[in-house]
Amino acid sequence: GAGVSQSPRYKVAKRGQDVALRCDPISGHVSLFWYQQALGQGPEFLTYFQNEAQLDKSGLPSDRFFAERPEGSVSTLKIQRTQQEDSAVYLCASSASIGETQYFGPGTRLLVL
Amino acid sequence: GENVEQHPSTLSVQEGDSAVIKCTYSDSASNYFPWYKQELGKRPQLIIDIRSNVGEKKDQRIAVTLNKTAKHFSLHITETQPEDSAVYFCAASIRNYGQNFVFGPGTRLSVLP
Repeated sequence: GAGVSQSPRYKVAKRGQDVALRCDPISGHVSLFWYQQALGQGPEFLTYFQNEAQLDKSGLPSDRFFAERPEGSVSTLKIQRTQQEDSAVYLCASSASIGETQYFGPGTRLLVL
Repeated sequence: GENVEQHPSTLSVQEGDSAVIKCTYSDSASNYFPWYKQELGKRPQLIIDIRSNVGEKKDQRIAVTLNKTAKHFSLHITETQPEDSAVYFCAASIRNYGQNFVFGPGTRLSVLP
């Protein structure tokens, strides 16, 4: 079946601009995760959803970052007033349930100029 | 919180030789340890995982060992091939409301023909 998909694959934003990144998890997957991956580093946890409930947002770096999953499937990560330090690859992952394998999407590469 | 260290950061081996990557973790409550392979510009892909009730797991040329007492786990790749060249990330689960991962910083493996 189809894997995790993300859009856009690439996004260039001017500093101060708002951006929205979309994640389509594997159909039926209950858990959805967002990670931020800086160049040459491992993914860092941002936030986690169980169905539509955002159960952990401890990794969001500031209140400019906001994520939602209103119907328990597609999720959107929004970054307001982007800064240069927000430049990174944003990865989405989904798993069938708690404790199961996480499958990653291809990521959205964000460049803030 | 959980901290995952990974060594070495880079590793070069001759084709056909074995490669070993080691990770340590800090949270004794972690119970799931996946390994991901990430090729340049692509998504992380799960290659093998191990749970805390098992000491070793093998899948063809890839094996993972876990020492819960010492809180370390290792990836072993035998008979390496050029297509094994990639960045490898270990991860350890942390238990908040789900199964979030803390990733190691990665090991860049180069298999020389």
